[in-house]
Amino acid sequence: GAGVSQSPSNKVTEKGKDVELRCDPISGHTALYWYRQSLGQGLEFLIYFQGNSAPDKSGLPSDRFSAERTGGSVSTLTIQRTQQEDSAVYLCASSDPAGGTDTQYFGPGTRLTVL
Amino acid sequence: AQSVAQPEDQVNVAEGNPLTVKCTYSVSGNPYLFWYVQYPNRGLQFLLKYITGDNLVKGSYGFEAEFNKSQTSFHLKKPSALVSDSALYFCAVRDQNAGNMLTFGGGTRLMVKP
Repeated sequence: GAGVSQSPSNKVTEKGKDVELRCDPISGHTALYWYRQSLGQGLEFLIYFQGNSAPDKSGLPSDRFSAERTGGSVSTLTIQRTQQEDSAVYLCASSDPAGGTDTQYFGPGTRLTVL
Repeated sequence: AQSVAQPEDQVNVAEGNPLTVKCTYSVSGNPYLFWYVQYPNRGLQFLLKYITGDNLVKGSYGFEAEFNKSQTSFHLKKPSALVSDSALYFCAVRDQNAGNMLTFGGGTRLMVKP
């Protein structure tokens, strides 16, 4: 079956611009996560959505970062006024907590480069 | 707070030899433990997990891991390494009592030489 998909696969932007990254989770998965992978910081949790509950935003590094999930499916991560330190690979994952295993399955990531 | 340590940045083994990639963790509650593998320019691929039950967990591609509560370890093992196992391996923990996010170790690069 289809896995988690993310778009674009690569994004190059100029410092100060806004960017939007998209994630399509596995069909039927109610939980969706965003992580960031960078050389200096490793893999970091950003934000978590579960069904209709309020998202857990505890990992967002600044108020320039926001995310939404429409209709309990597709999610968009938005970074406003990008900075060079935002350059990283942004990974999305989804899981099915009701299934009892709650394994997170990851997409291929979006590589963001801020010039 | 939960944390994961992978003490080796890189592990080198010869093809056909057994391999071990080390992982230790720290959580306040009961842990869920995971191993993921990442190939170049790819996302993380799930290998195996420990939730409860048998301490020895078997996963994809012949990998296994042993949960050791007293040593707070979850080392990844394979009896006979393949060149195609060369990749970046991440250990991750989720505290059952502290939300759903995973905390990852820094990763270990496995190099299997023919």
